[in-house]
Amino acid sequence: DVKVTQSSRYLVKRTGEKVFLECVQDMDHENMFWYRQDPGLGLRLIYFSYDVKMKEKGDIPEGYSVSREKKERFSLILESASTNQTSMYLCASSLSGNYGYTFGSGTRLTVV
Amino acid sequence: QKEVEQNSGPLSVPEGAIASLNCTYSDRGSQSFFWYRQYSGKSPELIMFIYSNGDKEDGRFTAQLNKASQYVSLLIRDSQPSDSATYLCAVTGYSTLTFGKGTMLLVSP
Repeated sequence: DVKVTQSSRYLVKRTGEKVFLECVQDMDHENMFWYRQDPGLGLRLIYFSYDVKMKEKGDIPEGYSVSREKKERFSLILESASTNQTSMYLCASSLSGNYGYTFGSGTRLTVV
Repeated sequence: QKEVEQNSGPLSVPEGAIASLNCTYSDRGSQSFFWYRQYSGKSPELIMFIYSNGDKEDGRFTAQLNKASQYVSLLIRDSQPSDSATYLCAVTGYSTLTFGKGTMLLVSP
């Protein structure tokens, strides 16, 4: 089975801090994604990547950046954390466009 | 804007009944359709996918696709309390999946 591992299950950060969320997949998938999920708003795509060093903006990229230096690792960066970035962050990977995604277990980030 | 619509629920069914979850989508070019189950506080888990019109069965789950009506459904037979979760419909778009907001299913013993 594909495994997508997110480095932290729960994280508490202070406003203004730079926050790194790490995601690693072990099945050589081309595509990786970062979502946030909030009650009533569903899954919202932040950034995605089709290949190493490539990135594409999703629906809500403001306040975030990403890095993909290796195929298996996709990092989400909150440049200056704000309280409205308190959310569940989900990383996912897929083999290609028509395949379903495999999600990591999620990181619940609280910004205080 | 590509959209995937689901009734938010909750859909309440008694144990042993058939639960029917529905999803409509706006992009006629969509080719692949997925159902995810998400337990409270957990991440989504892929449970079914369907590419062709008609029915696809896997155990107690049946996915149904009607591309002409732009409609996807998930039937859960012999519903169990452990099926209580939010079910997300997802549809391929131009480059990524588009997810619905999910339908909460509650199965009462």
